[in-house]
Amino acid sequence: GENVEQHPSTLSVQEGDSAVIKCTYSDSASNYFPWYKQELGKGPQLIIDIRSNVGEKKDQRIAVTLNKTAKHFSLHITETQPEDSAVYFCAPITGGGNKLTFGTGTQLKVEL
Amino acid sequence: GAVVSQHPSWVICKSGTSVKIECRSLDFQATTMFWYRQFPKQSLMLMATSNEGSKATYEQGVEKDKFLINHASLTLSTLTVTSAHPEDSSFYICSATDLYGYTFGSGTRLTVV
Repeated sequence: GENVEQHPSTLSVQEGDSAVIKCTYSDSASNYFPWYKQELGKGPQLIIDIRSNVGEKKDQRIAVTLNKTAKHFSLHITETQPEDSAVYFCAPITGGGNKLTFGTGTQLKVEL
Repeated sequence: GAVVSQHPSWVICKSGTSVKIECRSLDFQATTMFWYRQFPKQSLMLMATSNEGSKATYEQGVEKDKFLINHASLTLSTLTVTSAHPEDSSFYICSATDLYGYTFGSGTRLTVV
């Protein structure tokens, strides 16, 4: 199957700091790059996405940057708050169809 | 925004019995629905893809006779875990897609005892 990896696997930051999570994928045909937030016992919730014709997208404290040549995209969260604590997944479309392949996940902990 | 309702949110069943999980798109018609399984502290793994009125496509290693998927309408897909065993205990999540994106259900925690 397609390879989708995230780094780091765990990330601990102080409230107010920034957090960056990187997602590396292998399918050069991927054209849709979403990030999901999953809280304990719940389904994933889309927080931001980007398509391959755009290099960066921002929505208030959250941004996503895409480097198609290098096949990676990153999630940037600024001014982190305790409620940002969750597991974050990237899930690019892979395999030429419409299936999302979830990355390995990053546990973000925002400490007071 | 798009809403996907998944029921039940949790279920406990005895080994050998079957369990049905429902996934409904409430305010849009889903061209495709997906079923995922997630074990503790792991990522979501795609089990199968279903389109309304046609047979589901299962991922490699997923037993189609064990995990029965029915996609009878553009707003409803069901997953039936047949003859459940303790190793089937997991968090099952559905997703529905239309032209605009992918929306996930809230998940079903299945415990087989």
